[in-house]
Amino acid sequence: EPEVTQTPSHQVTQMGQEVILRCVPISNHLYFYWYRQILGQKVEFLVSFYNNEISEKSEIFDDQFSVERPDGSNFTLKIRSTKLEDSAMYFCASSRPTQETQYFGPGTRLLVL
Amino acid sequence: DAKTTQPTSMDCAEGRAANLPCNHSTISGNEYVYWYRQIHSQGPQYIIHGLKNNETNEMASLIITEDRKSSTLILPHATLRDTAVYYCIVRTGYSTLTFGKGTMLLVSP
Repeated sequence: EPEVTQTPSHQVTQMGQEVILRCVPISNHLYFYWYRQILGQKVEFLVSFYNNEISEKSEIFDDQFSVERPDGSNFTLKIRSTKLEDSAMYFCASSRPTQETQYFGPGTRLLVL
Repeated sequence: DAKTTQPTSMDCAEGRAANLPCNHSTISGNEYVYWYRQIHSQGPQYIIHGLKNNETNEMASLIITEDRKSSTLILPHATLRDTAVYYCIVRTGYSTLTFGKGTMLLVSP
């Protein structure tokens, strides 16, 4: 069964550093998403992406964040200058048409020191 | 999207059916009921979804009341591996997923 994969599984970085989180969505999916979950809190939507454009973003997704589909398979989330409060699990998801089910990857645990 | 209300936690004995309720009294006619679960900080796992009719798949059954104001997720024979947080989410076809706090289901031997 096809799955969303994410790398790395864990990332430790210093405050102010740039990080790139990578995702490989399910191959025939067209819509891509990033969510995050701060420890002990709810899963929160960050951004959705379709046809090489951001289709929707939340208030959390400020200028420090960017997304990209650099090739036919990868979907990335970049945080330009990490802050302590960016420490969280980051989940990638993908779906076929946006009205269909979103399937999530296993997540990347980001720790900012 | 309509808001949902779920119990904070539930217990179930292994091998028994787990019935997880969800209230969504403000649901609109074009909103679906989705269920996901999250096992110990892993990625949310899709379980099932429905609009009006009851649905069943290999994981669970979804019973939606006729007025669509509430639903129940049924795991017919719960196992220890079903211990997780279960999220009931109401969404239109074109909206993102808004997760609440969900129900922590503990399956015990």
